[in-house]
Amino acid sequence: GAVVSQHPSWVICKSGTSVKIECRSLDFQATTMFWYRQFPKQSLMLMATSNEGSKATYEQGVEKDKFLINHASLTLSTLTVTSAHPEDSSFYICSARTIATDTQYFGPGTRLTVL
Amino acid sequence: GNSVTQMEGPVTLSEEAFLTINCTYTATGYPSLFWYVQYPGEGLQLLLKATKADDKGSNKGFEATYRKETTSFHLEKGSVQVSDSAVYFCALSQVDSSYKLIFGSGTRLLVRP
Repeated sequence: GAVVSQHPSWVICKSGTSVKIECRSLDFQATTMFWYRQFPKQSLMLMATSNEGSKATYEQGVEKDKFLINHASLTLSTLTVTSAHPEDSSFYICSARTIATDTQYFGPGTRLTVL
Repeated sequence: GNSVTQMEGPVTLSEEAFLTINCTYTATGYPSLFWYVQYPGEGLQLLLKATKADDKGSNKGFEATYRKETTSFHLEKGSVQVSDSAVYFCALSQVDSSYKLIFGSGTRLLVRP
């Protein structure tokens, strides 16, 4: 139980294009989803918290117009990196929790490379 | 503010050696404490958790005890295997911070045959 998937697992795009990453909770309803960014050999940096049906809450320093987050249902959240640039290249990881627990379950991550 | 401090890695051990990865935290109240493991190129997997003082979390031979008096949650395993090679993250969360996870910096473990 408590499986979270991400799609795609890796993506390469050209500078200036937009990329959408999906995060799905497969066997539970995720009232809250989190998006993280991880640089090589570093810890995870929380980007934003999203609750189903409401606007995401972004951490300080994260550009909300660049990283668009939508949490349209209890099983799906999307992160869209708009007008991507090489410095956006990173490993993006989502997690999800249900109202019944304080535990976050993580997706396998998406590696984004912007050329 | 809340924070988590982990011992720096990498930690290199021989197979069947005893493992300890230290983790201490700073928090008000009573946070929940977690250990997550990340294998190369993958997301994080929950290894174990503890939600109150003196609780012991355990899984796959790993253990950690929530010590309120020393604000610690050290990870231990009696006999490591090559397959345990990964990065281990200690983390805490609190209900009054929307259950956001605060991570330590991670400790890389390398187990040699």
